[in-house]
Amino acid sequence: KNQVEQSPQSLIILEGKNCTLQCNYTVSPFSNLRWYKQDTGRGPVSLTIMTFSENTKSNGRYTATLDADTKQSSLHITASQLSDSASYICVVSPRGGSYIPTFGRGTSLIVHP
Amino acid sequence: ETGVTQSPTHLIKTRGQQVTLRCSSQSGHNTVSWYQQALGQGPQFIFQYYREEENGRGNFPPRFSGLQFPNYSSELNVNALELDDSALYLCASSGGLAASSYEQYFGPGTRLTVT
Repeated sequence: KNQVEQSPQSLIILEGKNCTLQCNYTVSPFSNLRWYKQDTGRGPVSLTIMTFSENTKSNGRYTATLDADTKQSSLHITASQLSDSASYICVVSPRGGSYIPTFGRGTSLIVHP
Repeated sequence: ETGVTQSPTHLIKTRGQQVTLRCSSQSGHNTVSWYQQALGQGPQFIFQYYREEENGRGNFPPRFSGLQFPNYSSELNVNALELDDSALYLCASSGGLAASSYEQYFGPGTRLTVT
């Protein structure tokens, strides 16, 4: 069964600090890995998408890394802002087969002033 | 804004009833995917429609069904509602299948409460 595990479940940091969120997956072979930001009660918004051949992808203060050998990805947020408070979701899509993406449960990030 | 809209925003139904949720995709997007997101959980893939035909289905019973129309709108129908169907229902449109590298654009969701 394809699984995506995210850690930590929740995280509280001070404004201006950096943080790193983790995503471990079992989907194999996989086509791509995405990170989404989801504000409470809203739909997810795409931050990055990486194919299996990419190692890193940046979007402003967000940088995602991928290690396909260890099946791990991380999302690094630099110089956090209050507006970064949200849930961050990792999604892994398989290559071939069912083509059904698997979502993690998300990491809830709270940024305090 | 993603250009994807959903209606209604909120809905309250009674167990055993039927519900239809609607989604309007971005113009030109031939794929729409539907997801169920329970409180505190990540979204779960229900199914996707590609050029008006179902193409891929998650672990959901047949009482969850859908339609996609040529005008980039789509519907999610749920029959015989159960209490566990209470969730945020999200649709996402894209230019290709959900597992591809096409960007997916999510709507704001419909919050369904079953009592």
